[in-house]
Amino acid sequence: NAGVMQNPRHLVRRRGQEARLRCSPMKGHSHVYWYRQLPEEGLKFMVYLQKENIIDESGMPKERFSAEFPKEGPSILRIQQVVRGDSAAYFCASSPEGYTDTQYFGPGTRLTVL
Amino acid sequence: TQLLEQSPQFLSIQEGENLTVYCNSSSVFSSLQWYRQEPGEGPVLLVTVVTGGEVKKLKRLTFQFGDARKDSSLHITAAQPGDTGLYLCAGVRTNAGKSTFGDGTTLTVKP
Repeated sequence: NAGVMQNPRHLVRRRGQEARLRCSPMKGHSHVYWYRQLPEEGLKFMVYLQKENIIDESGMPKERFSAEFPKEGPSILRIQQVVRGDSAAYFCASSPEGYTDTQYFGPGTRLTVL
Repeated sequence: TQLLEQSPQFLSIQEGENLTVYCNSSSVFSSLQWYRQEPGEGPVLLVTVVTGGEVKKLKRLTFQFGDARKDSSLHITAAQPGDTGLYLCAGVRTNAGKSTFGDGTTLTVKP
């Protein structure tokens, strides 16, 4: 039973480029969450999605960031026109229907903006 | 405003010692989770507590949820070097879905 998969594990972008981070939830899980962990800080909630729906995006920056979880395929976190302050570890978590309290995390994508 | 305060922030002890990590809040949570995170990896779920006053044991780890569901503690007995890592507590508020994380306790157990 594969866990939450994230790719790429490491991503390097230059300022102004786009970053696309992918997350495949655990089999049977229909809830996906994205968190950001800045150096020396804890995890901060960004967005909560179900299939084809954004449930809560209260933690997402208002500009340049977007997320989707299509009917087919992985969830995507997209950052346009990256800046150095976007450098962080981005974690995806998933939970099954009815058990949203219990979230299983992927290994993360470490984004470095040069 | 930090909803969940963890203490201590850093803890360095000798192998065999006992320790307790605290997670406090002024908010009520429907459940609280404890995770352990190693460098370069994602958090790994250790336990979920949902009932006020609940105590759960996982080998040498004992987790307690406060009666009012606002705080929790993690106690490790006879710590081992393999326990070294970042311990994170996270709370979920009723029907919120998202988890609110504390800033973590970095534990180092020296052989």
